[in-house]
Amino acid sequence: KAGVTQTPRHLIKTRGQQVTLSCSPISGHRSVSWYQQTPGQGLQFLFEYFSETQRNKGNFPGRFSGRQFSNSRSEMNVSTLELGDSALYLCASSLGQISYEQYFGPGTRLTVT
Amino acid sequence: SQELEQSPQSLIVQEGKNLTINCTSSKTLYGLYWYKQKYGEGLIFLMMLQKGGEEKSHEKITAKLDEKKQQSSLHITASQPSHAGIYLCGADTSNAGKSTFGDGTTLTVKP
Repeated sequence: KAGVTQTPRHLIKTRGQQVTLSCSPISGHRSVSWYQQTPGQGLQFLFEYFSETQRNKGNFPGRFSGRQFSNSRSEMNVSTLELGDSALYLCASSLGQISYEQYFGPGTRLTVT
Repeated sequence: SQELEQSPQSLIVQEGKNLTINCTSSKTLYGLYWYKQKYGEGLIFLMMLQKGGEEKSHEKITAKLDEKKQQSSLHITASQPSHAGIYLCGADTSNAGKSTFGDGTTLTVKP
């Protein structure tokens, strides 16, 4: 089976712009979670989607949003980018319901200048 | 405050030595998992522990869960340079599928 894929792998944006990141889960996985990883804050949970519905949400401002499509692919959007949004954004997929065995993609490195 | 505390933060060992990484939760654990990460890359799932006293092994890596102490340990036997990386513990402390992670332990194995 193909693993979790994320596109793009690297991205450079300017403050104030918006960005959309994409994640394709492992075939058959219905849950997709998004994380932000920074040297200062570590790995922090953004949100989780299951069957096109947001099931869990972390403590991030409303500028961070996401969605999931019927084929389980997910997108994450960040509007009005700030310098502090520079991070590695990881998505992870799992079979669904409450499953702790998550499989991570390689991440998207976002740099905001 | 951090829900999951990992110790040590970093570890340098000589190849062939054994080592242990600990992960302690300030809340009840509803499942704990260990991942390995190469810097700047995604996380690789190692193993998941759900029941108190549970112990799992994969090659030379063994993880145990002490539910009463709300703690897990990851033990590597006869370390090799391929074991080098960042080890993260993650857990669901809400029983709602919401994951939280420790800050990671950076392991360096000297040949």
